Amino acid sequence: EAGVTQFPSHSVIEKGQTVTLRCDPISGHDNLYWYRRVMGKEIKFLLHFVKESKQDESGMPNNRFLAERTGGTYSTLKVQPAELEDSGVYFCASSQVGRGPYEQYFGPGTRLTVT
Amino acid sequence: AQSVTQPDIHITVSEGASLELRCNYSYGATPYLFWYVQSPGQGLQLLLKYFSGDTLVQGIKGFEAEFKRSQSSFNLRKPSVHWSDAAEYFCAVGARNSGGYQKVTFGTGTKLQVIP
Repeated sequence: EAGVTQFPSHSVIEKGQTVTLRCDPISGHDNLYWYRRVMGKEIKFLLHFVKESKQDESGMPNNRFLAERTGGTYSTLKVQPAELEDSGVYFCASSQVGRGPYEQYFGPGTRLTVT
Repeated sequence: AQSVTQPDIHITVSEGASLELRCNYSYGATPYLFWYVQSPGQGLQLLLKYFSGDTLVQGIKGFEAEFKRSQSSFNLRKPSVHWSDAAEYFCAVGARNSGGYQKVTFGTGTKLQVIP
């Protein structure tokens, strides 16, 4: 069974540009989460999808971040326009159907560098 | 809201020595507790979890953790460390949000260095 995949693994962009990160969860997992880790700090929750609906987006930093989950399958996280403080590692995780508690399965992350 | 403290940023141990990584949490009810490990270039992998029941939890790779409610702690232990255990370790606490779903909060991580 394939795990959670993320694309790209690395992205280097200039301030003001747009970047779109993609996450493919484990097949059948309705719950999909986005997290971010800024260097040396904790892994911070960004948002949670249940199927295609945003269940909790309380961690989204501002309106420059837009997350979507088309048809309840893969998800994208767009940053537009990117700022220097957006640099970090963005993790995606998924877990099985329901309210849990469940283990979350993590992808390898996308390292975003904004210069 | 829940929170997690991992007081040790870096720990160095000799191969074969025992290991204990500290984790303290803050949450008003019984929490769900996790330890994850991240090796270089890899995603986070679950080592073990506590949801209920026996407070001593066994995990993968020979790790265990003990939930101590009175101390609000969930320390990770291993009796004999291997060089391959060098990685970053994250403690996390899960709690129900207003929608009844689990929301997980992570600590800042502890980097483990293993010396020969």
